[in-house]
Amino acid sequence: DIQMTQSPSSLSASVGDRVTITCQASQDISNYLNWYQQKPGKAPKLLIYDASNLETGVPSRFSGSGSGTDFTFTISSLQPEDIATYYCQQYDNLPPVTFGQGTKLEIK
Amino acid sequence: EVQLVESGGVVVQPGGSLRLSCAASGFTFDDYTMHWVRQAPGKGLEWVSLISWDGGSTYYADSVKGRFTISRDNSKNSLYLQMNSLRTEDTALYYCAKDIGRGGYPLYYFDYWGQGTLVTVSS
Repeated sequence: DIQMTQSPSSLSASVGDRVTITCQASQDISNYLNWYQQKPGKAPKLLIYDASNLETGVPSRFSGSGSGTDFTFTISSLQPEDIATYYCQQYDNLPPVTFGQGTKLEIK
Repeated sequence: EVQLVESGGVVVQPGGSLRLSCAASGFTFDDYTMHWVRQAPGKGLEWVSLISWDGGSTYYADSVKGRFTISRDNSKNSLYLQMNSLRTEDTALYYCAKDIGRGGYPLYYFDYWGQGTLVTVSS
């Protein structure tokens, strides 16, 4: 199975900050990588698919990049409503689909 | 509007069985692969199982293989997860999720999720 390693596991930042989360795959997954946002008590929401494509309706301050084994998720200017846990997910080698362990983002 | 509504989660003893259901609406159910994803309390997401649009193909995480069975009834727009030989480590919120790919071309990621149903395995 492909392992996904996310870092950091938690992050505290101020409103307006640029925030970056990384995800590393245990083997080459091309661009088969997605990013989800999960707010407390809610189901996850797809933000980025195929490593860098913004899902319809998602604010442009969210972006993703990378290919192969190393991927980055960025919030260009943190907003209070962005407080959530963020997960990467690979879908190259199936089954199974695998997720990163999550990054909990808090406001400083 | 797409809606996925899970039900069936309860407290069950180790070794017990349970059947979860997911009622789908707002889209052509039999066009899409469907998934179950779970989340243990305070933990991350774990994919559990998927079933193809016609029920002809199913896959399972190693952690549930041989104990869980996924099925669907397209006439009722419903997805199911039969859970047998339950273990304490199966305690989780179970989400039903719709694959973003259509027909015979699933993409193995998720554009809609239900709100989840809580399964607690405890003596």
